[in-house]
Amino acid sequence: EDQVTQSPEALRLQEGESSSLNCSYTVSGLRGLFWYRQDPGKGPEFLFTLYSAGEEKEKERLKATLTKKESFLHITAPKPEDSATYLCAVQDSWGKFQFGAGTQVVVTP
Amino acid sequence: DAGITQSPRHKVTETGTPVTLRCHQTENHRYMYWYRQDPGHGLRLIHYSYGVKDTDKGEVSDGYSVSRSKTEDFLLTLESATSSQTSVYFCAISAVGTVNTEAFFGQGTRLTVV
Repeated sequence: EDQVTQSPEALRLQEGESSSLNCSYTVSGLRGLFWYRQDPGKGPEFLFTLYSAGEEKEKERLKATLTKKESFLHITAPKPEDSATYLCAVQDSWGKFQFGAGTQVVVTP
Repeated sequence: DAGITQSPRHKVTETGTPVTLRCHQTENHRYMYWYRQDPGHGLRLIHYSYGVKDTDKGEVSDGYSVSRSKTEDFLLTLESATSSQTSVYFCAISAVGTVNTEAFFGQGTRLTVV
């Protein structure tokens, strides 16, 4: 059975304090690993897709990396506008997406 | 933004009544999904569709049915709503089978069953 586990559940950072979020997964026939950002009251917003171990993607202060069993989302020098819930998901060979429970990030000035 | 529209955005209904939520897309994506999101559980797949009239169950499908008669529309029906179905429902689409297979989400429907 596909499983996605995110840690920590919540993260409180000072502005400028870099940190990493973890996503560990088991899936049969990985099509891709995806990171999303979700703001309160809104739908998840797509950030990155990673397809193979060793792959990295960057966008502004965010960088996502992938190994065979886990992915990391690194937040470098975060700003208050980076506060959100970050979701990790895997897509299986049937095209279904399995999501983790998310990491709630709060960045204080 | 991906062209996904969910309706209604908010609904309050009584226990035992039928409810239908609609998802409409303008992207011509083959795959469509219905998820529910609850505190402590994250996003859980209810049903998904991989083409017109082709649907399959997700992990929390009991009490829900779906239909897809056109590429652009995916309907989620609660045959007899229960309080446990109070949740936020998200529709998503994906171009599975192409280069970019990420899912794009609608804005959600907040359903309250009283």
